Amino acid sequence: KAGVTQTPRYLIKTRGQQVTLSCSPISGHRSVSWYQQTPGQGLQFLFEYFSETQRNKGNFPGRFSGRQFSNSRSEMNVSTLELGDSALYLCASSLGGTSNTEAFFGQGTRLTVV
Amino acid sequence: AQKITQTQPGMFVQEKEAVTLDCTYDTSDPSYGLFWYKQPSSGEMIFLIYQGSYDQQNATEGRYSLNFQKARKSANLVISASQLGDSAMYFCAKGLTGGGNKLTFGTGTQLKVEL
Repeated sequence: KAGVTQTPRYLIKTRGQQVTLSCSPISGHRSVSWYQQTPGQGLQFLFEYFSETQRNKGNFPGRFSGRQFSNSRSEMNVSTLELGDSALYLCASSLGGTSNTEAFFGQGTRLTVV
Repeated sequence: AQKITQTQPGMFVQEKEAVTLDCTYDTSDPSYGLFWYKQPSSGEMIFLIYQGSYDQQNATEGRYSLNFQKARKSANLVISASQLGDSAMYFCAKGLTGGGNKLTFGTGTQLKVEL
């Protein structure tokens, strides 16, 4: 059974540009959550998608957005990149039912904004 | 606000010894889940163990066990028979029950296993 796949693994972007990250969950999992990890702020929840709908949202500006497709794959978009957006972006996949007892992460996308 | 506290920024343990990583949490939720993850230097978050707040017994997964004390709001991870490959960052996280997949993480503990 394939794990969670995130692409690309590494990205370098310039301030002001936009970026799209992709996450393919484990087969059968309907929930995808996104997290930002930085040395200063640690791991912070961005948002969660379940059955193509945003179900939970963290405290990030509107420049951060996401979506989920009918096959449960999810994309995260960051517009007008800032230097502070440099981070490891992780997505987590789970069944998404009312009792989540596990959440599996991908290897992450390391974004560097210059 | 939910808060997860890991008071040990770094820990050392000798190979084959047991080690306990501390985690305490704030919550007013009647029902919740607690998770532990391992993050090697490669960056991937590896799921280790889960404990539900209503589970009667402490969770165990191989060499990992969770010492859950609900009244004290603590969920310490115990790693038995440490191995060199256990050297990594360890995160405690709390999730919602019934509200989707949203985890609040602690700041982590860097574990170093020595010969």
